[in-house]
Amino acid sequence: GAVVSQHPSWVICKSGTSVKIECRSLDFQATTMFWYRQFPKQSLMLMATSNEGSKATYEQGVEKDKFLINHASLTLSTLTVTSAHPEDSSFYICSAEGPNNQPQHFGDGTRLSIL
Amino acid sequence: QKEVEQNSGPLSVPEGAIASLNCTYSDRGSQSFFWYRQYSGKSPELIMSIYSNGDKEDGRFTAQLNKASQYVSLLIRDSQPSDSATYLCAVKPLVETSGSRLTFGEGTQLTVNP
Repeated sequence: GAVVSQHPSWVICKSGTSVKIECRSLDFQATTMFWYRQFPKQSLMLMATSNEGSKATYEQGVEKDKFLINHASLTLSTLTVTSAHPEDSSFYICSAEGPNNQPQHFGDGTRLSIL
Repeated sequence: QKEVEQNSGPLSVPEGAIASLNCTYSDRGSQSFFWYRQYSGKSPELIMSIYSNGDKEDGRFTAQLNKASQYVSLLIRDSQPSDSATYLCAVKPLVETSGSRLTFGEGTQLTVNP
């Protein structure tokens, strides 16, 4: 089945640090990748949608200068949380979708803790 | 009205019983429907996808879709304690538009008691 790899699994760092999270589709070409954030006991919240080779589309209320997304190839998208602060601590999850209306498959998520 | 509504739960069933999870959606143009399972502290995992009216079976799981009623359900037969998780209903608006966002329900928390 479709596999999406996300790294790192967890990050603990100091306030003001920038953190990069990678999302890779291992056995299919992902025409579109999605980035979500989930706070404890809350629903998934879509942050942005990215298509290979084009700028990401951010959801309302998500700061694009704070959450930089790069989708340089059909198998790799990265999310960089710039100058992270404690309120950015959350569970970040990517998903990838192939062509022809294939379902989205999720990575294992990255638990980010900012001290 | 929420775009995708699920029974808020929690739903508790005994081991071996049938668990029934329900979902309704508001966008009549929706074409693709998915059920994801999310264990506590983990990311969602695709369980079933369904695109046309009727039933679709995969092992102990059966998805049912009724587009006229804008209703999709997931039945879990012979429920096991390992099925205890939150089940997310997700709806995609247009089958021709790969890349369009999924709309998720709030999820139904299922507990299967040994």
